[in-house]
Amino acid sequence: QKEVEQNSGPLSVPEGAIASLNCTYSDRGSQSFFWYRQYSGKSPELIMFIYSNGDKEDGRFTAQLNKASQYVSLLIRDSQPSDSATYLCAVRSGGGADGLTFGKGTHLIIQP
Amino acid sequence: ETGVTQSPTHLIKTRGQQVTLRCSSQSGHNTVSWYQQALGQGPQFIFQYYREEENGRGNFPPRFSGLQFPNYSSELNVNALELDDSALYLCASSDDRRRSGNTIYFGEGSWLTVV
Repeated sequence: QKEVEQNSGPLSVPEGAIASLNCTYSDRGSQSFFWYRQYSGKSPELIMFIYSNGDKEDGRFTAQLNKASQYVSLLIRDSQPSDSATYLCAVRSGGGADGLTFGKGTHLIIQP
Repeated sequence: ETGVTQSPTHLIKTRGQQVTLRCSSQSGHNTVSWYQQALGQGPQFIFQYYREEENGRGNFPPRFSGLQFPNYSSELNVNALELDDSALYLCASSDDRRRSGNTIYFGEGSWLTVV
């Protein structure tokens, strides 16, 4: 059974600070790792994906992957109130036909 | 805008009925997958279609079925609706001719309520 674990939160972060979101996964065969943002009542929006160990940066967002520890994280720098949302971590095996396995998401609140 | 469009946006059905949800994938994307997201949960993988054939399936019963058409658009059909089928149904498209780092985009979803 493939599992993706996230702390459900809420995680409260002051505006302008760094928000750190974490995710662990059980399947060592996972190859691709995704972070989605989901506003209440809306569909998930892709923020970024990563498939190599290390860091990947895109604007204010940095994804970090450690396959040995089966750990993925997302850092949001200079947090804005508009970043308040649920952040979903998802993983996919190399074959791709298994689809994405999602965590339940972390509810992030950016306090003005 | 992801270029993935779904219809209808909202619908209400009665237990035991059948429903068909539709999805048009992003231009150039050859793979479409469907997910069910219950309230407060992450999306759960239903199945995936590539070149008009189902090539992956999650833990969903056979009353969940689908089709993919030559233009890569897709349908999700659910028979014998149950109350627990009430959820947001998400369609996602991707181009699986690329390597494992491909991007997967979701449509706006179809909200299904079963009463």
